[in-house]
Amino acid sequence: QVQLQESGPGLVKPSQTLSLTCTVSGGSISSGGYYWSWIRQHPGKGLEWIGYIYYSGSTYYNPSLKSRVTISVDTSKNQFSLKLSSVTAADTAVYYCARHSLYGGNPVNFDYWGQGTLVTVSS
Amino acid sequence: DIQMTQSPSTLSASVGDRVTITCRASQSISSWLAWYQQKPGKAPKLLIYKASSLESGVPSRFSGSGSGTEFTLTISSLQPDDFATYYCQQYRTFGGGTKVEIK
Repeated sequence: QVQLQESGPGLVKPSQTLSLTCTVSGGSISSGGYYWSWIRQHPGKGLEWIGYIYYSGSTYYNPSLKSRVTISVDTSKNQFSLKLSSVTAADTAVYYCARHSLYGGNPVNFDYWGQGTLVTVSS
Repeated sequence: DIQMTQSPSTLSASVGDRVTITCRASQSISSWLAWYQQKPGKAPKLLIYKASSLESGVPSRFSGSGSGTEFTLTISSLQPDDFATYYCQQYRTFGGGTKVEIK
C-alpha cells in the first residue's frame, strides 16, 4: 500500500520560503508511471493544484504560482519536495502531497494522498 | 485552462436519499474526470475515475456517469458516513466542491 507523508515547518514568516517534503513508502518514485504532486487547500476553501514532478526531474507548475514554486525529487530517499518563496498570509493553507496517475502518458486522477500539513504564514 | 463547475454548492439530504451532484467542464474532456470525497480534517479520497470507474474499496452505492462536458456523481442511498464534501477533478483543475449536509 502506497503511503505519503508530508513534513516541514508549520509556521513560516512572511517573505520567507515555505519548504515541505513528502516521503513516499510502499512504492518507488523511480518506478515511473506517476507524477508526484503538491496540492493546497486554503482554510474552508477548495483544492488548488500547485505542481508536479516526474522521477526524472521534469516539472510542471500552476501558472499562477510558477514564479515562486520549485519542486524537486530525491529518488535515493524516495522523497519529493516543495519550495514556495516570498510567502504571504495568502499562502496559509493545508498542503497535501499526492500521487498523480498517468494514462497514456497523461496525468489523470490523484489516487494516493498524504494526510496534509497546515502551514501558517505569520510573523 | 479548462474550468470545472460543480452544482449545487450545498445539498441538504436525509439518510436513504438518492443524491446527484453535477460537474460541468468548460470544454470537452472526454471521460477524463474523477470524483473525490473529503471529510473535515482529512485528505480527499478518490471515489470514481475515468468518469464511471469505481475505485477499489468504494461502496457500490457511489456511481459516476457522463462524458464530454457534463458529468454526474450519484449516491444511490445516502448513508451517515457519506455526509462530506465532494469534488470533481480533471487533470490539474478541481471543481469548487459540493457539501452534502444532513437535512
